Amino acid sequence: ETGVTQSPTHLIKTRGQQVTLRCSSQSGHNTVSWYQQALGQGPQFIFQYYREEENGRGNFPPRFSGLQFPNYSSELNVNALELDDSALYLCASSLQGISGNTIYFGEGSWLTVV
Amino acid sequence: AQSVSQHNHHVILSEAASLELGCNYSYGGTVNLFWYVQYPGQHLQLLLKYFSGDPLVKGIKGFEAEFIKSKFSFNLRKPSVQWSDTAEYFCAVNAVGRSGGYQKVTFGTGTKLQVIP
Repeated sequence: ETGVTQSPTHLIKTRGQQVTLRCSSQSGHNTVSWYQQALGQGPQFIFQYYREEENGRGNFPPRFSGLQFPNYSSELNVNALELDDSALYLCASSLQGISGNTIYFGEGSWLTVV
Repeated sequence: AQSVSQHNHHVILSEAASLELGCNYSYGGTVNLFWYVQYPGQHLQLLLKYFSGDPLVKGIKGFEAEFIKSKFSFNLRKPSVQWSDTAEYFCAVNAVGRSGGYQKVTFGTGTKLQVIP
């Protein structure tokens, strides 16, 4: 167990809808990252939050947004869902500011867009 | 920008065979290197990591990897695979040195390992 928990584990949405995915980071970790893993692909970095602010973003459109809360938990929001958004969404937590720290992943949320 | 290449997409081995999965990265600065494993239906698990020091790192379940800086490589090895090693293996790199900056881990596309009993 990594101590990173995500919810929900599976969900199905309709194209055009909005979705919110949630993540609780490992105790003591102040940084949360989100990744998208499409079928047959490696995880792709979406963005990272540190001290409740986004401090890095991958090549994802603005309809992918997030939040980090004071307790370091996080949400990923996706608006105007498209079929290609169907994927496993992974949350990862780490401790910022420490050289050589490790990133730990949760089990992911499977999103299917129909 | 950093990138990671995994040369083998699908590897099939018999039990007890030796394993080597290739991984090359592209980044001019200091990196942290990782191998993650994803068993069917399970989450990504850290197999091993390299931050600094001895370039030969040992991980869980008998896996090891060697960092060769001159070749920008971090190949994963195991002397004798078991059926339970059937999984997908991802090499990943995190660029170091961004003071206060974010930690973006870049993953390779993965190698599916199938071990035949």
